[in-house]
This record gives sequence, structure tokens and C-alpha cells, in this order.
Amino acid sequence: DVKVTQSSRYLVKRTGEKVFLECVQDMDHENMFWYRQDPGLGLRLIYFSYDVKMKEKGDIPEGYSVSREKKERFSLILESASTNQTSMYLCASSLFMGLTNEQFFGPGTRLTVL
Amino acid sequence: AQKITQTQPGMFVQEKEAVTLDCTYDTSDQSYGLFWYKQPSSGEMIFLIYQGSYDEQNATEGRYSLNFQKARKSANLVISASQLGDSAMYFCAMREGSGTYKYIFGTGTRLKVLA
Repeated sequence: DVKVTQSSRYLVKRTGEKVFLECVQDMDHENMFWYRQDPGLGLRLIYFSYDVKMKEKGDIPEGYSVSREKKERFSLILESASTNQTSMYLCASSLFMGLTNEQFFGPGTRLTVL
Repeated sequence: AQKITQTQPGMFVQEKEAVTLDCTYDTSDQSYGLFWYKQPSSGEMIFLIYQGSYDEQNATEGRYSLNFQKARKSANLVISASQLGDSAMYFCAMREGSGTYKYIFGTGTRLKVLA
């Protein structure tokens, strides 16, 4: 079974702190994604990576950066956390090519910025 | 621009009955894939079913089926014989075939199954 794990289920940080959210997948997937989920807005793509050290901006990259130094690990970084970044963050992975390849999701990290 | 629309924010269904969750999409691509995911209260998204744009038959997976109407650009999820464990958020998503890695998600429908 594909397993996608995220470093924390719940996280509370203060405004201005630097925040790291870690995601690890164990199925050798090329693609990895970070989404944020807010009520009424569905899932919005922050960043995705299609290979090691490769990344592309999604729909809402402002205030975030990412790092992918190893194939299995994709990190989301909030350089200076703000209250409007309070949200559920979901990591996902998928195989590289093919329309049929579904995404596999981690359990999510619920981040609160005070 | 590609878009997924789920017009039902919330729905109720009686246990053992069937329910249809609506999804319409917008794309200019001829080749695309459509997905449905379930998100229980625990938070983890679970893949349910897939339909390709060139698939002639509607996809089925156990109690889940996808009512695919290409001309109307709709991909509704049908859950037969609803169970209490089906209570969750359901998301429709699309991936286009034009070389993008991206998946586009709808805003979701919250389903509550009543005993």
C-alpha cells in the first residue's frame, strides 16, 4: 500500500515564526503536491514537484516555499507565518505520467497560527 | 480555464438508499481524467473511482459508480445502498491530458447518512 505520511497532525505556531511541514511517501512516486484546504474553497494547490529539486508554483504560492532534496520527501515552508495561513495542509503523491494515476494523500496537518 | 463545480454543499440520505453527488467540469482538452475522493472526518482523502474521457462505459467500483455524460460535461458519483460509514466530504477532481501535472478539485459535498 502507498503510504504518505506528514510530520504532524496538529501544529500551533506564532505569527512570524518559520514553519516546516514535512511529507514523506514510500512508493517511489515522481510527483508530489502540497494543498491547503479551507471550508467552502476545496483544495487549492500551493506547489508541486515532478522530480528531485524540481518545483512549480500552484495557484496560491504566495507566502510559501518548498524543498525536495530527496525523491521521497517534500517539505512546505512558511517563511513567516501569518494568521491567514491557518488551515488544513494536505500532501499528496502520484506517479509521473498518465491520466489514470490517482493521487495518494497524507492524513493532513491542521496548522493554527496565533 | 479548467474548472470543477460541485453545487451541493451538503446532502442527506437515508441508510440503504442510493444518492447522487453532482459534478460538472469545464475543459477544452479532449483527453482528461475525472476522479472522486472521499474525506472522512479523520481528514485523509481516499480515492474512490476514476473515469477517463475516452472511456465508453461508466466506471464502477463496488457500490460506487460514475454517471459520465460527456456532452453535458458532468461526472456524477452514485453511491448505492448508503451506509453510515459513507458520511463524509466528497470531492470531484480533474486532470487534463495536456502535459500538466495538476489536478483541479471542486469545493466538495458533505454527505450525511441517516439511520
